[in-house]
Amino acid sequence: EPEVTQTPSHQVTQMGQEVILRCVPISNHLYFYWYRQILGQKVEFLVSFYNNEISEKSEIFDDQFSVERPDGSNFTLKIRSTKLEDSAMYFCASSEKGGQDNSPLHFGNGTRLTVT
Amino acid sequence: RKEVEQDPGPFNVPEGATVAFNCTYSNSASQSFFWYRQDCRKEPKLLMSVYSSGNEDGRFTAQLNRASQYISLLIRDSKLSDSATYLCVVNMAPNFNKFYFGSGTKLNVKP
Repeated sequence: EPEVTQTPSHQVTQMGQEVILRCVPISNHLYFYWYRQILGQKVEFLVSFYNNEISEKSEIFDDQFSVERPDGSNFTLKIRSTKLEDSAMYFCASSEKGGQDNSPLHFGNGTRLTVT
Repeated sequence: RKEVEQDPGPFNVPEGATVAFNCTYSNSASQSFFWYRQDCRKEPKLLMSVYSSGNEDGRFTAQLNRASQYISLLIRDSKLSDSATYLCVVNMAPNFNKFYFGSGTKLNVKP
């Protein structure tokens, strides 16, 4: 069964450093997402991406965050200057049809980001 | 009001029990509804979509009540392996490709 893959599985970085989290969505999916989950808390929406542009973003997704689909397969999340509170599990997800026809989200295994 | 609300639990039940979870959502225009399961420190995994007429998948039954804006999940004959956190997921207007998660309901199935 096709799956969403994320790399790395764990990233440790120092405060103020830039990180790039990588994802390869399922190949025939058109909608891509980043979510994050701080330990012990709920899964929070960050951003959705469709047709090579951001379609929705949350208040969390400020100027420090950016997303890109640099080629036909990768979907990346960049955090420009990491803060301690950015420490969380970051999940990439993709969906064939977005919110139409009960088309679900398929998640990658996540990248655990630790900012020290 | 939060976009999606769930009772956090935990629900502690013996093997073989029937257990039900509810979830309420704030946006009456929401179109897509799901239950996901999340094991500790793992990614959410789709358990089932929720359709207007209700749907069943083995021991799991999902219902949608649009008038009252809630969805439910019923698990029959609980197994130890059902122990997990169950997440309610709903899409939101105006751009329906934005999905909100509830905080999850924790289920512990005991031998």
